[in-house]
Amino acid sequence: QKEVEQNSGPLSVPEGAIASLNCTYSDRGSQSFFWYRQYSGKSPELIMSIYSNGDKEDGRFTAQLNKASQYVSLLIRDSQPSDSATYLCAVNQGYGNKLVFGAGTILRVKS
Amino acid sequence: EPEVTQTPSHQVTQMGQEVILRCVPISNHLYFYWYRQILGQKVEFLVSFYNNEISEKSEIFDDQFSVERPDGSNFTLKIRSTKLEDSAMYFCASSAGQGDYGYTFGSGTRLTVV
Repeated sequence: QKEVEQNSGPLSVPEGAIASLNCTYSDRGSQSFFWYRQYSGKSPELIMSIYSNGDKEDGRFTAQLNKASQYVSLLIRDSQPSDSATYLCAVNQGYGNKLVFGAGTILRVKS
Repeated sequence: EPEVTQTPSHQVTQMGQEVILRCVPISNHLYFYWYRQILGQKVEFLVSFYNNEISEKSEIFDDQFSVERPDGSNFTLKIRSTKLEDSAMYFCASSAGQGDYGYTFGSGTRLTVV
């Protein structure tokens, strides 16, 4: 199984700031990339998906993909205390539609 | 919004006992998955299931594990003889298709083996 790497954090940002979360992956054949948010004790919740190089925006969230560098990022604008959670990067691998998850980055937004 | 339903939310079992974790995927989804997350660790893939058969399974999914879709709505994970190290949160997920489709996860079953 190829790896998905994330900085574990915690990443602390003040309320209203931009939070930047990064992820690298090792499988060059991966085509689909996802960001999930997980609150403590809860299940992962899909925030964004991205398949093409470049940026994809959805509200306060922007996902960025660079397949040549095998790099995916998530920007959260106007961060709110409710954004405090663990953010999981997931990469589609293999023939069974398997998602491989990174260990996650803990985000803390301070009010 | 459609959701994936898992029962029970918490199961405590004695080592060596069999457990069955139950899931009702979203009704028009075709792909079903089980993942687990040991406390403080990564979400780990166990198995994917499509067209009434296993598509892929991980090294974790050994002979002690099995999955079944006994009817048109339920999707179950059975652990035949539980070990202490099976204690984890087990998540069921479903997706409408492959590739570009993200998963929807259920709320999870916390399995505690004592």
